[in-house]
Amino acid sequence: SQQGEEDPQALSIQEGENATMNCSYKTSINNLQWYRQNSGRGLVHLILIRSNEREKHSGRLRVTLDTSKKSSSLLITASRAADTASYFCATDYNYGQNFVFGPGTRLSVLP
Amino acid sequence: DSGVTQTPKHLITATGQRVTLRCSPRSGDLSVYWYQQSLDQGLQFLIQYYNGEERAKGNILERFSAQQFPDLHSELNLSSLELGDSALYFCASSSLDREYTFGSGTRLTVV
Repeated sequence: SQQGEEDPQALSIQEGENATMNCSYKTSINNLQWYRQNSGRGLVHLILIRSNEREKHSGRLRVTLDTSKKSSSLLITASRAADTASYFCATDYNYGQNFVFGPGTRLSVLP
Repeated sequence: DSGVTQTPKHLITATGQRVTLRCSPRSGDLSVYWYQQSLDQGLQFLIQYYNGEERAKGNILERFSAQQFPDLHSELNLSSLELGDSALYFCASSSLDREYTFGSGTRLTVV
């Protein structure tokens, strides 16, 4: 399977703390993307990191990619209650023909 | 508004029936993807179309079919519905090597 796997499955933190989620995958990829999903809603794209990139930032989000370990991490700094959602990584190994989503990490940020 | 439009938002139907879900991709995107999300299965890739042609197939049942029309909108047909088909069905669109843009989904309930 090409599926990415997020870790942990669920994470509960206090507001203001940092949250780190990890994603591992199995084959070479063109890019890796992180998405957020609020309960019952559509997925929202957060960050795309290409295979030749090692780190990207977007506001309070930082994504790293280690192609040698076939893993990525998403760091959310200074978390807020509004960050409560499920976070998915998606691996693109065939130039957009078929992104494969992992099972997601459920993040709960407690006020 | 993400630019991807899915209709209807909610659908309640009986077992054995057939339904059609519709998706209009973001302007300029040629690829359309269908995903099924249920509580116990996560986000499952069903099928992808690119510019009217089937490009990739995932875990799509034989009772399900899809097509993409010349105007690039897509329809997912679900027939002989079973209770287990109850799920959120998402459509996403993308351009080559770009992130997905998801619609808000159709919540299907089979009773």
